[in-house]
Amino acid sequence: DGGITQSPKYLFRKEGQNVTLSCEQNLNHDAMYWYRQDPGQGLRLIYYSQIVNDFQKGDIAEGYSVSREKKESFPLTVTSAQKNPTAFYLCASSNPGTGSNEQFFGPGTRLTVL
Amino acid sequence: SQQGEEDPQALSIQEGENATMNCSYKTSINNLQWYRQNSGRGLVHLILIRSNEREKHSGRLRVTLDTSKKSSSLLITASRAADTASYFCAPFSGSARQLTFGSGTQLTVLP
Repeated sequence: DGGITQSPKYLFRKEGQNVTLSCEQNLNHDAMYWYRQDPGQGLRLIYYSQIVNDFQKGDIAEGYSVSREKKESFPLTVTSAQKNPTAFYLCASSNPGTGSNEQFFGPGTRLTVL
Repeated sequence: SQQGEEDPQALSIQEGENATMNCSYKTSINNLQWYRQNSGRGLVHLILIRSNEREKHSGRLRVTLDTSKKSSSLLITASRAADTASYFCAPFSGSARQLTFGSGTQLTVLP
């Protein structure tokens, strides 16, 4: 069953803590993306990766870090430097080789800072 | 990066009616994609229209593209309560490496 998964679904963090959100895909896609969504708003790009061991900052990368050691995995760490991390986080993947950049999304992780 | 702007921000209709959402963008594109997001869920790809296409159909969905006006519209015919969701357009130009999403249209279909 091909797809993209995110875990956990809900995550609570105390101020000052780092947390890592998981994103895994078995679609054999080269590209992966992390977005942040605040209530009633669109998606903002945090980081993206076109290939293993390479990633680029998106529009709102400050306070976040990523790694891409494996093709199927693209974890996102929300660091204590992120001042307002409470949001809904979405991971996506795509196959740039198709030329369309159609993206497949995971179910999301809702992060709440206590 | 290229960003689509959806209009209206919110739309409320009765079940069975048609729903039309619009998207405008600023620069030339290779294709334009529409996505749906149910509340608290990830986005789902609905339909893609290429820059050399003017209209495309998929089930109850009809998408049009006018590259001269840099605009697109999504029509959902015979709407159902299950169509209640946010709808986003995402224009894609080959030079960009990522999609940029606007704030979306929140569609509510009343039973």
